[in-house]
Amino acid sequence: QVQLVESGGGVVQPGGSLRLSCAASGFTFRTYTMHWVRQAPGKGLEWVAYFSSDGTNTYYADSVKGRFTISRDNSRNTLSLQMNGLRGEDTAVYFCTRDARVVYFDIWGQGTLVTVSS
Amino acid sequence: QTVVTQEPSFSVSPGGTVTLTCGLSSGSVSTSYYPSWYQQTPGQAPRTLIYSTNSRSSGVPDRFSGSILGNKAALTITGAQADDESDYYCVLYMGPGIVVFGGGTKLTVL
Repeated sequence: QVQLVESGGGVVQPGGSLRLSCAASGFTFRTYTMHWVRQAPGKGLEWVAYFSSDGTNTYYADSVKGRFTISRDNSRNTLSLQMNGLRGEDTAVYFCTRDARVVYFDIWGQGTLVTVSS
Repeated sequence: QTVVTQEPSFSVSPGGTVTLTCGLSSGSVSTSYYPSWYQQTPGQAPRTLIYSTNSRSSGVPDRFSGSILGNKAALTITGAQADDESDYYCVLYMGPGIVVFGGGTKLTVL
């Protein structure tokens, strides 16, 4: 079935790095724009980044620009998020999501928790 | 920086109708922002309700509807049920690389 499964979350010290992965299955991954969305504990949803389906464009929220890098491997049906220079405010559950149209996030993963703490 | 605004909280009686809105701190929401709506209960991933202003996602009952009301996007729930008690988020596409979620509305059914 159509599915997204995130992995790679954990506890990291401030200033550290972490790489999240999102494994896609059940659909033609390369034809979809993919996003990362996060949710800090007790807070709302925040868009983080996206990678266009044509493979040419990546975009980032101002809060992560210059520190996070989104990538995709269409041969392995995998979306990734490299997070460097982590801060306490990056603590959140990170969701990957499929964009079926323009910000029509029709499929969501279950999320992976990133905790930035010393 | 433009902020997407939502009511922090709302309450509705079982069987009643409620309209949640999604606005901008500056300007009006139009269909060109492709407003979409998501429902989330604690500890769960969001569930897609509405996309492109008024299109229902697969499997969403027709008591959920989307529209533009005045200068805002709106989500209307008719015949509210107990399990509609959730957080509701709108999101707007404001151009290449500009995707903004609203702060969310906590809906209570009582």
